[in-house]
Amino acid sequence: SAVISQKPSRDICQRGTSLTIQCQVDSQVTMMFWYRQQPGQSLTLIATANQGSEATYESGFVIDKFPISRPNLTFSTLTVSNMSPEDSSIYLCSVGEGQGSVEAFFGQGTRLTVV
Amino acid sequence: GQNIDQPTEMTATEGAIVQINCTYQTSGFNGLFWYQQHAGEAPTFLSYNVLDGLEEKGRFSSFLSRSKGYSYLLLKELQMKDSASYLCAVRDWAGGYNKLIFGAGTRLAVHP
Repeated sequence: SAVISQKPSRDICQRGTSLTIQCQVDSQVTMMFWYRQQPGQSLTLIATANQGSEATYESGFVIDKFPISRPNLTFSTLTVSNMSPEDSSIYLCSVGEGQGSVEAFFGQGTRLTVV
Repeated sequence: GQNIDQPTEMTATEGAIVQINCTYQTSGFNGLFWYQQHAGEAPTFLSYNVLDGLEEKGRFSSFLSRSKGYSYLLLKELQMKDSASYLCAVRDWAGGYNKLIFGAGTRLAVHP
């Protein structure tokens, strides 16, 4: 099983600023996924990050607002840019290996509050 | 398009059995997952079905019927600690890779 370290675990940020969330995995993985979980709701996929290529964004999410880096097979970052109170959510990273794997592992999440 | 439906809330009694249903519609179905999520925590993996039938793992079992687009999670001998949200998620093969699409979750309350 993969161990995923995500930081920060929580932050309170001023509107208009940006926050970068880091996700570190203890093994090499092909695919990393970033999710958002708004208060009282389920997980929504933001984007998929594959090492060496640009991230693929889901409908409703754009690179300018949520830029993602994937510099190697064990690390990724998600930036929440120009934050507003509507961005207050839990952000989670998850790992997967493609068709033959089970994407069963999540980081502990980053609880973001924008004031 | 993709659509995953599950009940919003359920209640059950300690020691009892509860079944949480999930129906789905997706174009590139490649497996169905159940996760448990306690308040304030990350989801934890419970089960995975890709073929029709029942998968049993201790007190938890999960069933899948691909032709009906239907799954359920069965929890036996309920304990108070089973009070949590249960998320049904479909793995969708699209664009050359898998991604997980989550249902809204079922909040289960177990009472004495």
